[in-house]
Formats: sequence, C-alpha cells, structure tokens
Amino acid sequence: DAMVIQNPRYQVTQFGKPVTLSCSQTLNHNVMYWYQQKSSQAPKLLFHYYDKDFNNEADTPDNFQSRRPNTSFCFLDIRSPGLGDAAMYLCATSSPGAGAVIEQYFGPGTRLTVT
Amino acid sequence: GQNIDQPTEMTATEGAIVQINCTYQTSGFNGLFWYQQHAGEAPTFLSYNVLDGLEEKGRFSSFLSRSKGYSYLLLKELQMKDSASYLCAVLDSNYQLIWGAGTKLIIKP
Repeated sequence: DAMVIQNPRYQVTQFGKPVTLSCSQTLNHNVMYWYQQKSSQAPKLLFHYYDKDFNNEADTPDNFQSRRPNTSFCFLDIRSPGLGDAAMYLCATSSPGAGAVIEQYFGPGTRLTVT
Repeated sequence: GQNIDQPTEMTATEGAIVQINCTYQTSGFNGLFWYQQHAGEAPTFLSYNVLDGLEEKGRFSSFLSRSKGYSYLLLKELQMKDSASYLCAVLDSNYQLIWGAGTKLIIKP
C-alpha cells in the first residue's frame, strides 16, 4: 500500500543533543510538509517542499532545519532541542494538480521527548 | 489575521447525532477540510468542501457556506470509536492549510 512512513515513532533526546527525524513516502507526491503538534493544539506548519523548492514558515525557529535529498525522503533536523520542542512531529504529503482533491496524507508521527 | 474557530470539546451519546461547527476568516479560500485525529495518532482525511452545500459520506456529512465562512461536520449513529478530535482546516489563497485547534468529541455509552 502506498503510504507515508515516519521513523522513529518515538524519540527521546537530551537537552541540546541534535536529533534527526525521517519521513519517506511511496505516494510519489511532489509536496512534503513538516508539522509540529503539541497536545490539544492545531498542527503548526514548520516548512514544506514543493519538489525541491524549500519554503520556510516565517516563525519557524532557526533551530529547525530540513533536507529533501529526493522525492521520497525528507528529514527534520533539530540542532539543539529544548524542552519546549517536545511534541508530535507530523510529516505529510500532497499532490496538487488540476481537478485533484489536494488533501494532505499524514504519516503516523514521531513523538519527541526532550530530557 | 487568519482564524479558524471550533468548539474545544463536545460530548454526545452512542447512537446519537452530533454537529461540530467551524467558522473561518482566511486570506482567500480554496476549500475546507475535516480531519479526524485519535489521541496520539496522525490526522486522517474525512472530507473536502469547496462549493456550498452538503457532502455526504456514509455516517459523516460536511456542509459549507462560503458567504458565511461556516462549515459543520455531522456525525450520525455515533459509535464509541468516533471518540477523537475533529480538525477543521482551510486552504488559503497560497494553498497553505490553516488549521483549527480541533474539537475533542467524547462519546458516552
């Protein structure tokens, strides 16, 4: 089945220790998104790629970086995690096109704990 | 600014009907989505409305009025597994999704 895969599902890191979250997709969608979601809050868009074009949200901290080496993979790097970065990180994909319903398909998420 | 409003929490009884409302103010409109999110899981797509009116999909229906900036999600014949958060999201003029904070729906036997 075509899907969005995130690894790991649960990640524990120490305060200030760099961490990388990964996302892969078999849907061949050209747009990939990274969201941060804290408990009982709306998902917050961090950045997205339209093909290789990187789009950073204005309020995304510099501590968060992303890489998309190819269509299928996208990575979220948190350079120096703080306690406030503990959250669920969601990867999503979409394939906007003429006449297409452009819903976003989400991976299962990675729950990040910072100790 | 852009804003999506929906109730924080609702309670309903198994077998009943519940309507979750969403109002929005966004820069442009390219459609409205409803997603379901169980605790600790990712959102899953429920419906998409871009034209006014009612879209029915099994036990779930979604309504849109663009002139009023208003949508609702109607859930019929509620089941315990419908206990989840329901997120309203609007696609703005830049094709970015603007998310509401979600409505936590609690189903009681």
